[in-house]
Amino acid sequence: GENVEQHPSTLSVQEGDSAVIKCTYSDSASNYFPWYKQELGKRPQLIIDIRSNVGEKKDQRIAVTLNKTAKHFSLHITETQPEDSAVYFCAALSGGSNYKLTFGKGTLLTVNP
Amino acid sequence: DTGVSQNPRHKITKRGQNVTFRCDPISEHNRLYWYRQTLGQGPEFLTYFQNEAQLEKSRLLSDRFSAERPKGSFSTLEIQRTEQGDSAMYLCASSFLADWNIQYFGAGTRLSVL
Repeated sequence: GENVEQHPSTLSVQEGDSAVIKCTYSDSASNYFPWYKQELGKRPQLIIDIRSNVGEKKDQRIAVTLNKTAKHFSLHITETQPEDSAVYFCAALSGGSNYKLTFGKGTLLTVNP
Repeated sequence: DTGVSQNPRHKITKRGQNVTFRCDPISEHNRLYWYRQTLGQGPEFLTYFQNEAQLEKSRLLSDRFSAERPKGSFSTLEIQRTEQGDSAMYLCASSFLADWNIQYFGAGTRLSVL
């Protein structure tokens, strides 16, 4: 089955700096890669996603890149703000199914004011 | 709030007791998913429904677990004879026919088995 590795597990940045979180996946047939933000005690919230037919997608301060050959994708947050502090999860939609998301273990991002 | 709703938010039970959680998906979402999340981990897939049909179950879903979605709307997840290892956050998600990929999550039910 699919396996998703996520790094780093914790990331601390100063307000205004950029943050990058990286994920690798194992199933070359996976074709959908969402990123979720989860604040303490709250629901995982979809912040951006990318499909396998594009290499990059941007939404204001957030961007995601996908390298299908290397089977890795990354989340980039620019001009970080304290409210960006949360746990971020990457996921991959397993190849051969269109229902099962396999998640990474998460990255705790702390943005220091 | 028109998002995915889960009840209760917290459940404390003694080992050996049965518990039931409820999930109300976003209106008109055909698919409903159950995930389990333990501390320091990402959500792990348990099972999913398309309308009222349960189409897939993970091997994580032992025979003590049962999920239903009788009318294709809300769903229940029951755990019988709870064990301490069942302590986790149980998350529900739903998605719409037009784009099944995008799963919207509820805030979860946190289960503590004493």
